[in-house]
Amino acid sequence: QSALTQPASVSGSPGQSITISCTGTSSDVGGFNYVSWYQQHPGTAPKLMIYDVTKRPSGISNRFSASKSGNTASLTISGLQPEDEADYYCTSYTSSSTFVFGTGTKVTVL
Amino acid sequence: QVQLQESGPGLVKPSQTLSLSCTVSGGSIRSGSFYWSWIRQPAGKGLEWIGRIYTSGTTNYNPSLKSRVTISVDTSKNQFSLKLTSVTAADTAVYYCARAGVIPAAIWDWGQGTLVTVSS
Repeated sequence: QSALTQPASVSGSPGQSITISCTGTSSDVGGFNYVSWYQQHPGTAPKLMIYDVTKRPSGISNRFSASKSGNTASLTISGLQPEDEADYYCTSYTSSSTFVFGTGTKVTVL
Repeated sequence: QVQLQESGPGLVKPSQTLSLSCTVSGGSIRSGSFYWSWIRQPAGKGLEWIGRIYTSGTTNYNPSLKSRVTISVDTSKNQFSLKLTSVTAADTAVYYCARAGVIPAAIWDWGQGTLVTVSS
């Protein structure tokens, strides 16, 4: 299985909105509503930010939102804050009953 | 609040078997509908899903690793384990154990990760 495709980096100024894409195939992203997003700060374990394409776990800011269209899922961070600077990974369930991660996106707050 | 803690050798020789355990605290590994999972991350690189085991013992593995991976559960110790055979330098990574839901299918809880280096 091939990793889902994400942009290597995305940047924005404080207060701005940014969007990270996650492109797969009909066998993963496009075929199931089981896309989730994780935030990872350096030296720490990833943290679940979004599950089931659009849902936020308890305690996650509503500045984080997500969607899916066809084989591409997207994570939007609005009102960008310095603490949002981190790596972000998408993941999807696949038709082989496995999971595949995205390539990862480094978000920089300018 | 469930907590997970990886343990095992930090250094493994090439061609040998990497063995890690994950101890679950704050809850029984037999309770609920969860998949107990392993993910790894080479230094400076992205996350790679290794595989998972359900409380019933059903397993799913990354096709690229399937021939070398075994994940098992020891309910008496509230642990699950990873074995990766015939390791090479490419298997050097931080290995995370994690708890994933069935529905929703997301990874909710992660261990802190443990670095395993493959070197002679």
